[in-house]
Amino acid sequence: GEDVEQSLFLSVREGDSSVINCTYTDSSSTYLYWYKQEPGAGLQLLTYIFSNMDMKQDQRLTVLLNKKDKHLSLRIADTQTGDSAIYFCAEMNTGSQGNLIFGKGTKLSVKP
Amino acid sequence: EAGVVQSPRYKIIEKKQPVAFWCNPISGHNTLYWYLQNLGQGPELLIRYENEEAVDDSQLPKDRFSAERLKGVDSTLKIQPAELGDSAVYLCASSFSGNTIYFGEGSWLTVV
Repeated sequence: GEDVEQSLFLSVREGDSSVINCTYTDSSSTYLYWYKQEPGAGLQLLTYIFSNMDMKQDQRLTVLLNKKDKHLSLRIADTQTGDSAIYFCAEMNTGSQGNLIFGKGTKLSVKP
Repeated sequence: EAGVVQSPRYKIIEKKQPVAFWCNPISGHNTLYWYLQNLGQGPELLIRYENEEAVDDSQLPKDRFSAERLKGVDSTLKIQPAELGDSAVYLCASSFSGNTIYFGEGSWLTVV
């Protein structure tokens, strides 16, 4: 079945780059997403990438997609304390019929 | 532009009581989703609407959960009766054409 895996925790120092990784199993994924969830809040769409792309950059965020290895990463440059949150990777594929399949989330802690 | 609006934000009820959550999607979005997020987990789909039609409700526990989307805009999700295990965050989301899905702040339910 469909599955999305993420490491649960990541800790970085303020000003460093953060790299959050995700692997997925369904090769028919059409879109892959990154969402951010702060404590007590809903999910904020950060960025997404279409499966025929291998990279997308948006200000401090860089998404890399390795379709062969089914690996997605989110790089946050110059990480700030305000970036501390849980980051969810999600995929959409033809099998899920427009529904998102989420990983369990990576909790990013940024130390001053 | 207003985002997805949900209410109530927080609700504490005793087990066996009913509870209802309301969602107003982003204007013009024809697809509406209800997701369930348990503590420490990623969101999982409960039901998806295309306009007023429930096109995927396979994960909705129909013995106690019900949902409706009258007139294809606002939606209500109801639990009756609530059980202790229903304590979770109920997230509403919407999209137009399904590629970019935006979430509300969630309704945080505690059943005691």
